[in-house]
Amino acid sequence: AQTVTQSQPEMSVQEAETVTLSCTYDTSESDYYLFWYKQPPSRQMILVIRQEAYKQQNATENRFSVNFQKAAKSFSLKISDSQLGDAAMYFCAYREETSGSRLTFGEGTQLTVNP
Amino acid sequence: ETGVTQTPRHLVMGMTNKKSLKCEQHLGHNAMYWYKQSAKKPLELMFVYSLEERVENNSVPSRFSPECPNSSHLFLHLHTLQPEDSALYLCASSQEAVMYNEQFFGPGTRLTVL
Repeated sequence: AQTVTQSQPEMSVQEAETVTLSCTYDTSESDYYLFWYKQPPSRQMILVIRQEAYKQQNATENRFSVNFQKAAKSFSLKISDSQLGDAAMYFCAYREETSGSRLTFGEGTQLTVNP
Repeated sequence: ETGVTQTPRHLVMGMTNKKSLKCEQHLGHNAMYWYKQSAKKPLELMFVYSLEERVENNSVPSRFSPECPNSSHLFLHLHTLQPEDSALYLCASSQEAVMYNEQFFGPGTRLTVL
């Protein structure tokens, strides 16, 4: 079964600094998607960034970028110039073609941004 | 209303009660999902509907009964729940139930079973 592991239950960063959240996953598939979702205190889960396994180039969305290491099955999220509004729970998630409807989530990392 | 909405936002019920959670998506999507989010555990997929047909039931106890009357609405009917069913229940939708489609989530219903 596919698993997603986030080894950092909590992280903190100073405003304007950079922080990296870790995620590893286990799969035998070659084609899949990886996602980072953000869940602020309002509880609404929001997609931050996504990466297709076949694309070697790391995805970037403004201040958010990923470091996708397919061989190592690693998918870390880098947040640059951290802002107070980035404080939230961040979830790494995995989805593959053979189980197209199933998103498998990690346990989450609670990010605190200190002013 | 825009996006995915869920009602109620909070629900407290006894183990003998019957209640329903409602989800509505205003995005024109064809797939809808129920997830359970418990403290200290990853989100768990419960049910998936595609074009109003259930395509996945992730070994969920029968005390949870989903209903999808049309592609915009999804219900979760609850009866004789247990205290361990207390959790945040999230609804999501996507264009299709395929791997590359982004899932859009609602704000969730916080359920407490006494």
